[in-house]
Formats: sequence, C-alpha cells, structure tokens
Amino acid sequence: QVQLQQWGAGLLKPSETLSLTCAVYGGPFSGHYWSWIRQPPGKGLEWIGGILHRGNTNYDPSLKSRVTISVDTSKKQFSLRLSSVTAADTAVYYCARGVVRSYEMLSGRYYFDSWGQGTLVTVSS
Amino acid sequence: EIVLTQSPGTLSLSPGERATLSCRASQGVTSSYLAWYQQKRGQAPRLLIYGTSTRATGIPDRFSGSGSGTDFTLTISRLEPEDFAVYYCQQYGSSLALTFGGGTKVEIK
Repeated sequence: QVQLQQWGAGLLKPSETLSLTCAVYGGPFSGHYWSWIRQPPGKGLEWIGGILHRGNTNYDPSLKSRVTISVDTSKKQFSLRLSSVTAADTAVYYCARGVVRSYEMLSGRYYFDSWGQGTLVTVSS
Repeated sequence: EIVLTQSPGTLSLSPGERATLSCRASQGVTSSYLAWYQQKRGQAPRLLIYGTSTRATGIPDRFSGSGSGTDFTLTISRLEPEDFAVYYCQQYGSSLALTFGGGTKVEIK
C-alpha cells in the first residue's frame, strides 16, 4: 500500500517561491507520474503537473512558466517549486501518484490513485 | 484544453436513493480516459472509477461509471450515509492539460 507524505512552507509573501516535497513509501517508484494538484479554498481541483520517474514532465499550460517539478529517485521523493506566487496561488496542495498505462508510458495521460495529506499554502503580505 | 462541466452542482437525496451525476466534456475524451473521485470535507480525494467504468480497488459495486465521447455518468445505486460528499470527474485523454470538473455535491435531503 503506497503512502505519500508531503511537507513544505505554509505561509509565503507575494513574489516568493513555493516549495513542497513529497516522499513515497511502499510500492514501486518507477512507472508512475508523480504529480501535484491544488485546491483553492472552497473550490475545485486543479492539476499542476507531473513527472515520470525518469524525469519526463508535463505541466498545466497556465502555470508552466512558473512551475518546476523535480524527482530524486534515490530518496523516492519529488518536489514542486512555484515561483512568483500571488494570493491567487493560495490553496491546499496535494501530491499524488499518477497511473499511466504501461504501453504509453511517455504519453503524459494519467489518473491519480494515491494522494498525500495536503498542505495549505497561504500567500499573504 | 478540455473543459469538464459537472451537473447538477448540488444533489439533495436521502439514504437509499439513487444518485446520478453528469460530467460533460467540451470535446471528445480520447479512449474514454475519464476518472471519478470522491472528496469528503477536510480529506484528500479518493479514486472511485477510472477508464470511464472500472472501479478502483476497494470501491463498492454500488458505484458505477458509464459514458463515452463527451457525456459521462457516475451512478450510486443506493446511497449510504458515507456517500454524502463532493464528486469530481477528471479527463486524462489529453496530456496537454489534465482537467477536472467543478464538482457535484451530494447532500442529505
């Protein structure tokens, strides 16, 4: 049973860089897209992006210029950096495991079968 | 990007009743790559259905998914008290942008 545990700073000022990390316990690290999803207070889910174990990434086009997702396979961890944050980036951020069909590993098409506990990130001056 | 519109926004039902939730896509979803999630207050979402109609591990058979193209449905055959929550659909047919619907809240009538 895979478990995802995430951590990072919960309060940022405008223009700072958001940084979160997620550790994966149990289950294989390879063959999955390790992903970040956020949820503004009282609103729906927004996909941010994901990274395959070997480093291939795909990002939401609206965030792509500010987002970097990286992976450390030796530690079974992956991280999110979101630069130049504003109040609009205030949200609960989730890490999640993306499931992709083995025969289309590089497709970037996946759903999410395991989630972290979520981290509330507030951007305020 | 593919926009998913979920309806109704809120569904008020009693335990034991049938719930039918709709998810409509702005364009066809490739290979029926559509998933459904349940989210309870203060919790992370939980995967219910993937590939339009395949139940995830441990999901009871009162949950079923159907549809194709642009119209998809999640049906809960008989609502249990623990089923009152918010439900989201997600398409993963386009790798350019994976998108979620706005959610349907199933509340106790």
